Amino acid sequence: QQQVKQSPQSLIVQKGGISIINCAYENTAFDYFPWYQQFPGKGPALLIAIRPDVSEKKEGRFTISFNKSAKQFSLHIMDSQPGDSATYFCAARRYAPLNTGFQKLVFGTGTRLLVSP
Amino acid sequence: DAGVIQSPRHEVTEMGQEVTLRCKPISGHDYLFWYRQTMMRGLELLIYFNNNVPIDDSGMPEDRFSAKMPNASFSTLKIQPSEPRDSAVYFCASSWDDDNQPQHFGDGTRLSIL
Repeated sequence: QQQVKQSPQSLIVQKGGISIINCAYENTAFDYFPWYQQFPGKGPALLIAIRPDVSEKKEGRFTISFNKSAKQFSLHIMDSQPGDSATYFCAARRYAPLNTGFQKLVFGTGTRLLVSP
Repeated sequence: DAGVIQSPRHEVTEMGQEVTLRCKPISGHDYLFWYRQTMMRGLELLIYFNNNVPIDDSGMPEDRFSAKMPNASFSTLKIQPSEPRDSAVYFCASSWDDDNQPQHFGDGTRLSIL
């Protein structure tokens, strides 16, 4: 119940195309869903995050879509660029009000994205 | 601002040797995390500290693994004795004392045990 399932494992998209990565979870207590981006030789870095009180969040070319009833969320990268080539991780955690105790992040297994020129 | 600093970046050693990985968190951050990343298991949380105190070490795989945080600016992860299956990339991350702040990761230590 603690797992976050991520697909696809790898993805090749042409420059200018849309990249879509999907994640699904089981624990209904999860209510904070960040996406991390990791370049080779670097640590993961927070890209964008969403809480389920909204169905979509957009930051530039990156959009998270959230379907609470299906317990699924996805990352869309519009107008994909070669510089977006990286590994993307979804994650989930219980949203914790300040000073109520740390909640661990549960990570998906990652999607390796390659954007071809 | 300096990010999370890990050393060494790469470590190659023989089975049975002691390995010590080091981490300097971002100044002012109250939480420090150690993760392990492998192809098979992805990113796994090994242990985390809050204000230098270990809070949850349930992810530490075996007694061969130990972690310390003697002060707010330094932490170590030690493996003794090391085994080939410990080969992985080990990340340190830190964050503010607010559960919903992002974790800032270092660039990792790539560990190879021969």
